[in-house]
Amino acid sequence: GAVVSQHPSRVICKSGTSVKIECRSLDFQATTMFWYRQFPKQSLMLMATSNEGSKATYEQGVEKDKFLINHASLTLSTLTVTSAHPEDSSFYICSAREPGGQPQHFGDGTRLSIL
Amino acid sequence: KQEVTQIPAALSVPEGENLVLNCSFTDSAIYNLQWFRQDPGKGLTSLLLIQSSQREQTSGRLNASLDKSSGRSTLYIAASQPGDSATYLCAVRPPGANSKLTFGKGITLSVRP
Repeated sequence: GAVVSQHPSRVICKSGTSVKIECRSLDFQATTMFWYRQFPKQSLMLMATSNEGSKATYEQGVEKDKFLINHASLTLSTLTVTSAHPEDSSFYICSAREPGGQPQHFGDGTRLSIL
Repeated sequence: KQEVTQIPAALSVPEGENLVLNCSFTDSAIYNLQWFRQDPGKGLTSLLLIQSSQREQTSGRLNASLDKSSGRSTLYIAASQPGDSATYLCAVRPPGANSKLTFGKGITLSVRP
């Protein structure tokens, strides 16, 4: 079945560091990719939607200068958390979808811990 | 604004029991509905997707139904096993090429051996 690969699975770094997370669709072309954040025991919170070759659309309250999203190809999107601080520590999950009514597939998530 | 509700938040059953997980949504104008499984510390695994024109989908021991007019979906798990223990989320997608999923908060299922 369709697979979405997300790397790294875990990051621990110092405050002020920028962290890049990659999301790849392995066997399908993802015209739309999504980035979510999940707090403990909470459901997923959508951060932004990106379409290949265009700027990402951010949800209300999400700082676009803080969370940089690049969707350079139909199989790759990246999320860069710039100048990360402890409050950015969270579980980030990417998702990809083919055109039409196809299922949306999710990566395994990235656990980001900022010290 | 679409709202998706999953009640109860947690469920514990003995192994072998057949069970039903409920999902309700407030806006019936959906494109499709998807059921996911999430294991602790992991991403989401898509279990079943039901298009708005469909009534149910089956995969192995799982059966998902959709009653769009009443805003309800159920996920039926037959002969539950300890390996089924996880959080189950439903999500609805409205029409539109770039439409976004709205998730319920999930039901955490524990199947006791």
